[in-house]
Amino acid sequence: NAGVMQNPRHLVRRRGQEARLRCSPMKGHSHVYWYRQLPEEGLKFMVYLQKENIIDESGMPKERFSAEFPKEGPSILRIQQVVRGDSAAYFCASSPRSGLAGYEQYFGPGTRLTVT
Amino acid sequence: GQQLNQSPQSMFIQEGEDVSMNCTSSSIFNTWLWYKQDPGEGPVLLIALYKAGELTSNGRLTAQFGITRKDSFLNISASIPSDVGIYFCAGLTSGTYKYIFGTGTRLKVLA
Repeated sequence: NAGVMQNPRHLVRRRGQEARLRCSPMKGHSHVYWYRQLPEEGLKFMVYLQKENIIDESGMPKERFSAEFPKEGPSILRIQQVVRGDSAAYFCASSPRSGLAGYEQYFGPGTRLTVT
Repeated sequence: GQQLNQSPQSMFIQEGEDVSMNCTSSSIFNTWLWYKQDPGEGPVLLIALYKAGELTSNGRLTAQFGITRKDSFLNISASIPSDVGIYFCAGLTSGTYKYIFGTGTRLKVLA
């Protein structure tokens, strides 16, 4: 009964490089959410995806950021041409979204991105 | 945009004491979630609330969905050192997918 898995746990990138963050939801969950957290702050919604569909990306910057959740494989959050301001912890959460239990979101351990 | 005010921002308490924290908003929510986050880890779901007035317990934790649907409360009884961490509330409005997170209450327990 594995929980939400994220990798890598830590990622260091130089300015201008690409960062790829992966998220495997809990078994049976087909809804994935990505959040960003800065030190000493709460979590900020970025994007909500179902399998092969982006449902709501209103919290994600329109440039350099993209997300996908393919039919097979993990969800990917991609940040192109990273800048120092992208340094943060990125969390993925999954939900079964079936009945009332679908409103619960379960988080992974996060990926801590550091841009040098 | 919507905001959740969480208070207190931080608190130091003695082991064995009870703890209370709350989350308030100007918006109406139809679901409240409470999470605990340890340093370097992801948030762990503690309690989920779905109905106004609902009172739900999970061990020493009790949370309530405010009757106005604009607030929620979390109580921890007989605190222990492992209760240390950051507690977040998250609210969801009807017909949306985005949970709004509070800024967190940082709890420190003095043995």
